[in-house]
Amino acid sequence: QKEVEQNSGPLSVPEGAIASLNCTYSDRGSQSFFWYRQYSGKSPELIMFIYSNGDKEDGRFTAQLNKASQYVSLLIRDSQPSDSATYLCAVGGGALDTGRRALTFGSGTRLQVQP
Amino acid sequence: DVKVTQSSRYLVKRTGEKVFLECVQDMDHENMFWYRQDPGLGLRLIYFSYDVKMKEKGDIPEGYSVSREKKERFSLILESASTNQTSMYLCASHTGDRVEGTEAFFGQGTRLTVV
Repeated sequence: QKEVEQNSGPLSVPEGAIASLNCTYSDRGSQSFFWYRQYSGKSPELIMFIYSNGDKEDGRFTAQLNKASQYVSLLIRDSQPSDSATYLCAVGGGALDTGRRALTFGSGTRLQVQP
Repeated sequence: DVKVTQSSRYLVKRTGEKVFLECVQDMDHENMFWYRQDPGLGLRLIYFSYDVKMKEKGDIPEGYSVSREKKERFSLILESASTNQTSMYLCASHTGDRVEGTEAFFGQGTRLTVV
């Protein structure tokens, strides 16, 4: 059974700080990794995806992937109160996928950015 | 612009009723998914489909069925609604059958309450 683990939080950071969100996954063969943002009462929206080891930057967001450690992270620079939301890590592919193509989601980390 | 549309934002149904949740995507995606989201449990996969008339069970299919008569439409059916099916239901789709392209896009969600 695939597992994706996240700290539920809340993670509280002051406005302008860097928020660091972490995720570990159990299936070593996983190939695709995603970060979704979900505001309360809304559906998840895709922020970033990463397929290769290393860093991927998009504006204030940086995704980091370390397949050897089975670890994915999301850094949010210059955090804003509007970044306050639940961040979901999702993982796809891998040896256990057996062609399902469905993503496995963590339960999310709640981020609070204090003005 | 990517669009996944769910037929209802909020639904209230009685125990024992047959309930239909509809999802339509306009991106010509092959893959469609139904998840439910509950506090502390994250997103759990109910059913998915790779093609018209094709369906596969996810992790929690009991009490549900699906229908995919057309590529753009994927319906979730609660055969006899029960109170433990009160939840947020999320439809998603993506185009990928390889690593690239598996980023999923979500509908706005249907909050179902069974009384």
